[in-house]
Amino acid sequence: GAGVSQTPSNKVTEKGKYVELRCDPISGHTALYWYRQSLGQGPEFLIYFQGTGAADDSGLPNDRFFAVRPEGSVSTLKIQRTERGDSAVYLCASSPGGGGLGNEQFFGPGTRLTVL
Amino acid sequence: AQSVTQLDSHVSVSEGTPVLLRCNYSSSYSPSLFWYVQHPNKGLQLLLKYTSAATLVKGINGFEAEFKKSETSFHLTKPSAHMSDAAEYFCVVSFSGGYQKVTFGIGTKLQVIP
Repeated sequence: GAGVSQTPSNKVTEKGKYVELRCDPISGHTALYWYRQSLGQGPEFLIYFQGTGAADDSGLPNDRFFAVRPEGSVSTLKIQRTERGDSAVYLCASSPGGGGLGNEQFFGPGTRLTVL
Repeated sequence: AQSVTQLDSHVSVSEGTPVLLRCNYSSSYSPSLFWYVQHPNKGLQLLLKYTSAATLVKGINGFEAEFKKSETSFHLTKPSAHMSDAAEYFCVVSFSGGYQKVTFGIGTKLQVIP
């Protein structure tokens, strides 16, 4: 079956611009996560959705970052007034169910964002 | 608070020799522990997971890991390295709270020499 997909695969933008990154989770997965992976680092948690609601957004670095999941499926990560430090690979993952011990997260291929 | 430390940023082994990737964790709760692999330009893939059942966990591609509570470790091993094992490996911890908020280590890049 289809895995987690993310679009675009690459995004180049200029400092100060607005960008949207899209994630299509595995059908039926209620949990959705966004991570940011900077060069040479492990993925860092940004935000977690259970259904349509953001259950934990403690990882969002500042108010320029926002994410939505209006119908409980596709999610969009939105970054306003982009800065060069936002350059990273943004990963999306989905998981069946609302957590529970040891639920595997299935990762998408990521969107590489470059802010010039 | 939970954290995970991968003790080696790079590991180099010869093909056919054993692999050992080290991971130590810190968690206030009973942890779930995972190893993920990331091949170049590919998504993260789960190798194996520990969730308080058997302490020796077997994963895909011949990898296994042993949960040692007394040492707070979850090292990844494989008896014989293959060229296709060259990749980046991440140790991941989550606690058995309300949901699975995970913390990644910084990763260990495994090089396999022919």
